[in-house]
Amino acid sequence: DTGVSQDPRHKITKRGQNVTFRCDPISEHNRLYWYRQTLGQGPEFLTYFQNEAQLEKSRLLSDRFSAERPKGSFSTLEIQRTEQGDSAMYLCASSLVAAGNKETQYFGPGTRLLVL
Amino acid sequence: EDQVTQSPEALRLQEGESSSLNCSYTVSGLRGLFWYRQDPGKGPEFLFTLYSAGEEKEKERLKATLTKKESFLHITAPKPEDSATYLCAARGAGGTSYGKLTFGQGTILTVHP
Repeated sequence: DTGVSQDPRHKITKRGQNVTFRCDPISEHNRLYWYRQTLGQGPEFLTYFQNEAQLEKSRLLSDRFSAERPKGSFSTLEIQRTEQGDSAMYLCASSLVAAGNKETQYFGPGTRLLVL
Repeated sequence: EDQVTQSPEALRLQEGESSSLNCSYTVSGLRGLFWYRQDPGKGPEFLFTLYSAGEEKEKERLKATLTKKESFLHITAPKPEDSATYLCAARGAGGTSYGKLTFGQGTILTVHP
């Protein structure tokens, strides 16, 4: 399967613990995005990378959140000192920017986080 | 700030009963209007991209259209397997944000046999 993959699919943690999620994009896609989705809402943008450079971070991304994309391949999203409000589905998407700056983002299955 | 609003929030149809979902957008310099389908517990699945007013795309029972302020997803003779949440998203050209998508809250479609 050559789609976007995410690991783990589910994570239960206690408040105050750190968690890390991984995303493997579609091969050769140069952009990678992280979104967060809560129940009954559409995904909200968190941050994105073009190759290994992190080009934008949302105001939603507090300093407890950090993302990396070493060597422009897979990406990790870490949440430190988790809070109950961090409970959500974390979605990763990747895209290949084409001529005319056109791109389509393809999403992974998501990591569902529950903070107790 | 870019905004996307979808209506209705939920739609129940009988199998074969055609209808439309609405997506209203306010985006600075639209660089694409996207429709996704999302099944419970899964990530969004790409359906269509529309770039300019008047453009239409079709796939099986689905047809997406675009005007300068709205997009519609028309569902013709739906089947129970079309039941899902349909998400609309816009990509604007403002500032450095032209990569990200701004999503609506989605329309939950249920098709009864």
